[in-house]
Amino acid sequence: DAGVTQSPTHLIKTRGQQVTLRCSPKSGHDTVSWYQQALGQGPQFIFQYYEEEERQRGNFPDRFSGHQFPNYSSELNVNALLLGDSALYLCASSSDWDKSSYNEQFFGPGTRLTVL
Amino acid sequence: GQNIDQPTEMTATEGAIVQINCTYQTSGFNGLFWYQQHAGEAPTFLSYNVLDGLEEKGRFSSFLSRSKGYSYLLLKELQMKDSASYLCATKDSNYQLIWGAGTKLIIKP
Repeated sequence: DAGVTQSPTHLIKTRGQQVTLRCSPKSGHDTVSWYQQALGQGPQFIFQYYEEEERQRGNFPDRFSGHQFPNYSSELNVNALLLGDSALYLCASSSDWDKSSYNEQFFGPGTRLTVL
Repeated sequence: GQNIDQPTEMTATEGAIVQINCTYQTSGFNGLFWYQQHAGEAPTFLSYNVLDGLEEKGRFSSFLSRSKGYSYLLLKELQMKDSASYLCATKDSNYQLIWGAGTKLIIKP
C-alpha cells in the first residue's frame, strides 16, 4: 500500500514565476491538506480539499490555489513567487476528517521549494 | 487568538527520560496530536489525546489536561535515533490542525 506521494522532491524557481506541486493521497483517503513549513517552524495550514472542493483555508493569499481531482489527488499552485515562499510544502491525507475528533493525517515526504 | 507553545530546544542523554511540554490556546478543542519529524523529512504520527490522562505507547507516553490547556510527551530509554523535532498540534473547532513550532531534541551519548 503506497503512502502519500509528492512530486517533485525539490524545485528551484525565480521570483515572479509560477509553480505546481502534486500530491497523491494514501489509498482509501479522500481528504488532502496542504501545509507550508519554513525552516525551524511548524507546518502552517494552507488549505484542505474534499470532494474536489476547497473546504477550509488558512491565512494565505490568493496566489496560493489548489485543485483536487476525482481520484483524490491534488495540486498546489503558487503564482508570482516571492523569496518568502521558499519552504517545505507538505501534503497530508486523511479520511472522514471532520466526522470524528480522531483522524490521523499521513504526510508525504514534501517538496522543497527554493525561490531565488 | 490561537497559540501553541513548546520549548525551542532540549538536550538529553542516551538512556535517560525527557519530557517535552506543550501549552495551547485554541478556539475549540478536538484533540491534541504529537508528531516526530527528523530533519528534512515529513512528520510522522506519535500519539493522540482527546480526554484527560496519560496514553502510553511503548517508550512514548503523552499526557493531556484540557482544563490547563497542557500536554506533555514523555520519552523513555532515549536512543540516538530519537534526535528529532517533536511537534505538538491541536485540532480546533473547525477541525483544523494548529501546529506549534516544534521542539528540537538533541540526544547526547
